[in-house]
Amino acid sequence: QKEVEQNSGPLSVPEGAIASLNCTYSDRGSQSFFWYRQYSGKSPELIMFIYSNGDKEDGRFTAQLNKASQYVSLLIRDSQPSDSATYLCAVLGYTGGFKTIFGAGTRLFVKA
Amino acid sequence: EAGVAQSPRYKIIEKRQSVAFWCNPISGHATLYWYQQILGQGPKLLIQFQNNGVVDDSQLPKDRFSAERLKGVDSTLKIQPAKLEDSAVYLCASSLIQGTRGNEQFFGPGTRLTVL
Repeated sequence: QKEVEQNSGPLSVPEGAIASLNCTYSDRGSQSFFWYRQYSGKSPELIMFIYSNGDKEDGRFTAQLNKASQYVSLLIRDSQPSDSATYLCAVLGYTGGFKTIFGAGTRLFVKA
Repeated sequence: EAGVAQSPRYKIIEKRQSVAFWCNPISGHATLYWYQQILGQGPKLLIQFQNNGVVDDSQLPKDRFSAERLKGVDSTLKIQPAKLEDSAVYLCASSLIQGTRGNEQFFGPGTRLTVL
């Protein structure tokens, strides 16, 4: 059973701080990694994807991937109250076809 | 570019009734996904289509759920008969291709189903 694990939170950070969201996965053959943001009552929206070990930066967001440790993280710099949402980690692997597994998500609350 | 369209947005039915959901993916996207998301959980894949062929339906309760994607574009998901535990948001998503690259999924607004 392939799994993607996330701390459910809530993770609470003050406005302007760095929020760090973590995700571990069990399938060592996983190929691609995604972070989605989901506001309450809304559908997930893609914010970052990463394929290779290391860091990938996009504005205030940085995704970090360590395949050896089977670990992917999302850093949000200068957190804003509008960043308050659930962040879903998704992992793409290949088992008889390309399959994406989502974690349960981490709730982030940014205090003004 | 238009996003993924879904209808209806909300549906309330009684148990043992049937219901159908419709999805129109982003134009040109070959891969279409149906997910079930129960409150507080991540999306759970029900079925994945590549064009009009099924790639993965291992988590689809086939005794009551069915799905089709005619002509490789629109898709419908049906539940018959519905159970109380089917109450959830049903999300449709599409991606350009199926592979290690270009697999970013774009979600529709979802259909919130309540089974009474």
